[in-house]
Amino acid sequence: RKEVEQDPGPFNVPEGATVAFNCTYSNSASQSFFWYRQDCRKEPKLLMSVYSSGNEDGRFTAQLNRASQYISLLIRDSKLSDSATYLCVVSVEYGNKLVFGAGTILRVKS
Amino acid sequence: GAGVSQSPSNKVTEKGKDVELRCDPISGHTALYWYRQSLGQGLEFLIYFQGNSAPDKSGLPSDRFSAERTGGSVSTLTIQRTQQEDSAVYLCASSLGPADYNEQFFGPGTRLTVL
Repeated sequence: RKEVEQDPGPFNVPEGATVAFNCTYSNSASQSFFWYRQDCRKEPKLLMSVYSSGNEDGRFTAQLNRASQYISLLIRDSKLSDSATYLCVVSVEYGNKLVFGAGTILRVKS
Repeated sequence: GAGVSQSPSNKVTEKGKDVELRCDPISGHTALYWYRQSLGQGLEFLIYFQGNSAPDKSGLPSDRFSAERTGGSVSTLTIQRTQQEDSAVYLCASSLGPADYNEQFFGPGTRLTVL
């Protein structure tokens, strides 16, 4: 079983749609969780950290369910510029190592 | 300010040759990471530096891979006797401190092609 699993997609949605991505992780000792965004042929960039209580940043909402070892990302009112690969990232030991999921592809179309 | 830089941006080499990839982290960032990304795959952790020491080398795929960091700054990743399966984009990232509480900033990567 992979340490971090994501649905690869692609998710093809129209502008203005709401879309949700899910991610599961295998290491129950994981402490920190993130969503990174990667545009085609570009480097990954941090989108947002994921906190236990859930957190929101504009149109983006991230949630964590430790009991189910599950992380989600919700994007509301999708824009064309949201088209990218979204990477679920989990720390597997304090400070040292982040494990990246293979990513979920989002395509927003007009 | 300057971000993470990597050189070369592209490297084409013949099977069996050695290659050296370079990473210049953001000034003041103590933590430095190397990853590789194959086509359509996620990022694979290779090695992590805190200062000049590498407490975690568990991700290096084989003993053909080595990395060093000097002066708490520049890092080089060396691949000896390259194989075709080494072809990938090699990404370097740096952070102010441990990655679980500090954002990782990535460089643009080195695209390695082994013929």
